[in-house]
Amino acid sequence: ETGVTQSPTHLIKTRGQQVTLRCSSQSGHNTVSWYQQALGQGPQFIFQYYREEENGRGNFPPRFSGLQFPNYSSELNVNALELDDSALYLCASSLVGGEQFFGPGTRLTVL
Amino acid sequence: DAKTTQPPSMDCAEGRAANLPCNHSTISGNEYVYWYRQIHSQGPQYIIHGLKNNETNEMASLIITEDRKSSTLILPHATLRDTAVYYCIVRVSQAAGNKLTFGGGTRVLVKP
Repeated sequence: ETGVTQSPTHLIKTRGQQVTLRCSSQSGHNTVSWYQQALGQGPQFIFQYYREEENGRGNFPPRFSGLQFPNYSSELNVNALELDDSALYLCASSLVGGEQFFGPGTRLTVL
Repeated sequence: DAKTTQPPSMDCAEGRAANLPCNHSTISGNEYVYWYRQIHSQGPQYIIHGLKNNETNEMASLIITEDRKSSTLILPHATLRDTAVYYCIVRVSQAAGNKLTFGGGTRVLVKP
């Protein structure tokens, strides 16, 4: 059984740029959730995707958007990057409503 | 989701039991107590969850008080690899679109 994987591991961008982060779900899971974790803080929920539709969203602006594909993998897109977007971005997969299993995260640094 | 309160940090001796408390006084009847932990620079790891009965698995035990306003996660024989931040979360299970609301957690340091 393959766990949740994320790519890339690390990424450096400059303010105003756009970034795409990728996540592959654990086998058999149909739901993907994304979280942002700033240094020293707990993860904060960005949004969740189920059956390729957004299925819940946290307090993040519209420049944070996502996609889920038919194979349940997912992308997180962030436009117009700001310095405060520097964080660890975590993806978690699950069956709908079930326990969430997290990937190792992507460390984004915005300069 | 109900709010949880945890001590910010605690130390534990290797080989001893670690008892991690969590207060969730505003928990609703349909909310479960979940525990996750996060080892440095890794994604959070699911540990255990329960509704009102005590639960045990290969990683830990979860003791929930009868009024469900608090719980304790027990690591029976702490090892150095159990050093991590432990998060207590309450959420409605089996609900689509349901998120995990993380607080600050308890930073546990297991010492030799």
